[in-house]
Amino acid sequence: QQPVQSPQAVILREGEDAVINCSSSKALYSVHWYRQKHGEAPVFLMILLKGGEQKGHDKISASFNEKKQQSSLYLTASQLSYSGTYFCGTTSRTSYDKVIFGPGTSLSVIP
Amino acid sequence: DTGVSQNPRHKITKRGQNVTFRCDPISEHNRLYWYRQTLGQGPEFLTYFQNEAQLEKSRLLSDRFSAERPKGSFSTLEIQRTEQGDSAMYLCASSFRQNHYEQYFGPGTRLTVT
Repeated sequence: QQPVQSPQAVILREGEDAVINCSSSKALYSVHWYRQKHGEAPVFLMILLKGGEQKGHDKISASFNEKKQQSSLYLTASQLSYSGTYFCGTTSRTSYDKVIFGPGTSLSVIP
Repeated sequence: DTGVSQNPRHKITKRGQNVTFRCDPISEHNRLYWYRQTLGQGPEFLTYFQNEAQLEKSRLLSDRFSAERPKGSFSTLEIQRTEQGDSAMYLCASSFRQNHYEQYFGPGTRLTVT
């Protein structure tokens, strides 16, 4: 079952913040976040394994609410380089090594 | 550090022809995955391997698609009797348990069926 992402697209000015949400109808083992720039392969950002876990690097962080089967990606003080499509990928407890990707959220950061 | 490589990068073929793509994963990774991605969509799972064993194949995948990983290293994805609907980017990724199976993607093979 493919996870659902929202919003589908967002446009930000440099320095603004954004939140991208990912939810699943299945119990989750982990949530992965990837960014893909146009014409390139997806690049791993982070993985969340435990309910309530929050991770981050730079000004990009994420949280995982296991009970709600949801994850959110937070981008603060956005930079032009953050532009791209963000995908969440989920794994289940019965297939913890198989990632199912969501449809993606297109993020455009403008000057 | 050699990442995941895929060949060819681009393939144009006529409808009805067979095509084969190759993926070389990161050497210590025992999991290898194939995905298909069309414009505006996320990577769609096709199949994956643990070493040479194929663990799962998507039910959406027709019998025209087959994948192998004969010695647990590189993998090939073959599409027989290609159709225009097969046009897409085919992505390969590899992972290993110690990193909780985070996916390292190759650059992809773009297939165009005319």
